Amino acid sequence: GESVGLHLPTLSVQEGDNSIINCAYSNSASDYFIWYKQESGKGPQFIIDIRSNMDKRQGQRVTVLLNKTVKHLSLQIAATQPGDSAVYFCAGGNNFNKFYFGSGTKLNVKP
Amino acid sequence: NAGVTQTPKFQVLKTGQSMTLQCAQDMNHNSMYWYRQDPGMGLRLIYYSASEGTTDKGEVPNGYNVSRLNKREFSLRLESAAPSQTSVYFCASSASSGGGFFGPGTRLTVL
Repeated sequence: GESVGLHLPTLSVQEGDNSIINCAYSNSASDYFIWYKQESGKGPQFIIDIRSNMDKRQGQRVTVLLNKTVKHLSLQIAATQPGDSAVYFCAGGNNFNKFYFGSGTKLNVKP
Repeated sequence: NAGVTQTPKFQVLKTGQSMTLQCAQDMNHNSMYWYRQDPGMGLRLIYYSASEGTTDKGEVPNGYNVSRLNKREFSLRLESAAPSQTSVYFCASSASSGGGFFGPGTRLTVL
């Protein structure tokens, strides 16, 4: 079946370093992807999205890269801060009511 | 602008009891969704409403019912709670072609 998954369950980075979180998807027809951040005890927070007609999209300190050839997307966080510690997961599909969600990567930022 | 709000935040039920989870959004979004999140698993769609007056089943609808009360409100009802329904429930809303914005969640325990 369709899936959207993450390569690593946990990622530890030093404060100030850049973080890269990866995600693979299985359905080549998926044309819309979102990265979410979820802090402990809270709901998922929309970070950035990207459509399949783009390879890259930048936000504030975050960049999402989409490689449709290998069905892979990544989230890059520049100058990672303690407040970035959370679980990050990707989601993708064609319509949000058909989205598939990854189980998440936990980002630990060491001071 | 509160975004997506959910009530209650926490609930403990006994097997067989019923309850309704409430959700409201103030972003004038057409679509609303109910998800459950279980440890180690991604978000799974229970039901969604693409527009006021319509509802459709998601991936895991058994044991649940929904009501789209108006454009702002979408409720989820458990008629006869079971321990397997112990989970964190999230409501989300989205514009027609966009991604979802989530509420803070309801933590439900069924004994």
